[in-house]
Amino acid sequence: AQSVSQHNHHVILSEAASLELGCNYSYGGTVNLFWYVQYPGQHLQLLLKYFSGDPLVKGIKGFEAEFIKSKFSFNLRKPSVQWSDTAEYFCAVKSIQGGKLIFGQGTELSVKP
Amino acid sequence: ETGVTQTPRHLVMGMTNKKSLKCEQHLGHNAMYWYKQSAKKPLELMFVYSLEERVENNSVPSRFSPECPNSSHLFLHLHTLQPEDSALYLCASSQESGLAGSDTQYFGPGTRLTVL
Repeated sequence: AQSVSQHNHHVILSEAASLELGCNYSYGGTVNLFWYVQYPGQHLQLLLKYFSGDPLVKGIKGFEAEFIKSKFSFNLRKPSVQWSDTAEYFCAVKSIQGGKLIFGQGTELSVKP
Repeated sequence: ETGVTQTPRHLVMGMTNKKSLKCEQHLGHNAMYWYKQSAKKPLELMFVYSLEERVENNSVPSRFSPECPNSSHLFLHLHTLQPEDSALYLCASSQESGLAGSDTQYFGPGTRLTVL
């Protein structure tokens, strides 16, 4: 069965620090990959997605993610975080053959001003 | 953003009550979803409707009953819930294009449900 693992449950950073959130999935076939963000009191929003092509994907608000097929990973990065990036981040995976969108358990990011 | 709306935003109910959650999508999508979000757990898919037909029922207890009267509206009817059903219930929609895996799901704000 497919599963998604986010290694960090809670990350605390100071403003301007660099961010990398890990995401690994288990599925042998071709997948589509997503990162969603949930700001406090707000709904889940799509941050970026990978379907095909360049494995380095750029999303909104300066975020990017790199798909490394050999490592079954899709880590999220941002070179310099801001206080407004405080939120919960969810990685999700879906097989291109259809099926469910499988979510990781989420990583809570707290950015100190 | 008003693409997917949910009402009510908060709901407190007793175990013997009957209530309904409502979701409406304004994106012209043809698929809708119910998810359960509990603290420190991954989102759990509950139901999927595609073209108004239920295509996924993820072993959800019968005390949760979905209804999809048209492609824009989705309901979740609740009755005789348990305290462990307290959670954030999220609705999502997507456009299934036939291109495998290409649909992206857009989420509503959720209904925070508390069962006493």
